[in-house]
Amino acid sequence: DIVMTQSPDSLAVSLGERATINCKSSQSVLYSSNNNNKLAWYQQKRGQPPRLLIYWASTRESGVPDRFSGSGSGTDFTLTISSLQAEDVAVYYCHQYYSTPFTFGQGTKLEIK
Amino acid sequence: EVQLVESGGGLVQPGGSLRLSCAASGFTFTRFWMHWVRQVPGKGLMWVSRINADGSTTTYADSVKGRFTISRDNANNTLYLQMNSLRAEDTALYYCARTYCGDNCFAYFQHWGQGTLVTVSS
Repeated sequence: DIVMTQSPDSLAVSLGERATINCKSSQSVLYSSNNNNKLAWYQQKRGQPPRLLIYWASTRESGVPDRFSGSGSGTDFTLTISSLQAEDVAVYYCHQYYSTPFTFGQGTKLEIK
Repeated sequence: EVQLVESGGGLVQPGGSLRLSCAASGFTFTRFWMHWVRQVPGKGLMWVSRINADGSTTTYADSVKGRFTISRDNANNTLYLQMNSLRAEDTALYYCARTYCGDNCFAYFQHWGQGTLVTVSS
């Protein structure tokens, strides 16, 4: 199984500041057919289902604000929120869809400082 | 608008059974792989199972293999999860989720239901 490890477990950032969440996979999730990484990011607010933010490691889902961006390749990935807004308070998960069992990181709780 | 509505959750004793349903609408159900993902309240996400568009291919997490069965009724746009021999550790909110399918299908979850809560306890 591919183990996904996020860091940090929790993060407090001031409004308007940058938030950075890291995700490391235990093996590469690079899909050779299109040279993209099978890595997604989700946002989950309290009492809601997860919401897809990013797929292919860096492609923003339709409707997601452009302050959210994803980067990385191979085994190391980053989700960046360029200017934190109050509505970004949530738990964020990375997810590999390279191979079954599909696995998620443990989550990073993002709060306002 | 894509809608996924789960039902069938509840309280069941250890060793018991439950069947979850997910009613899908707003898209061509017969084109898409479908998945179940669960979440212990306050904890992280765990993928449970998937089924391909015509129901001929299924995959399971090791922790549920042999106990859970995923299926679908394409005539009625409904996904199912039959859960047998339930254990306390199966207690969770169960989400159905739809992946992306264009020319190919890739298992990132574009759409999620609201979930249905399964509690296994005596």
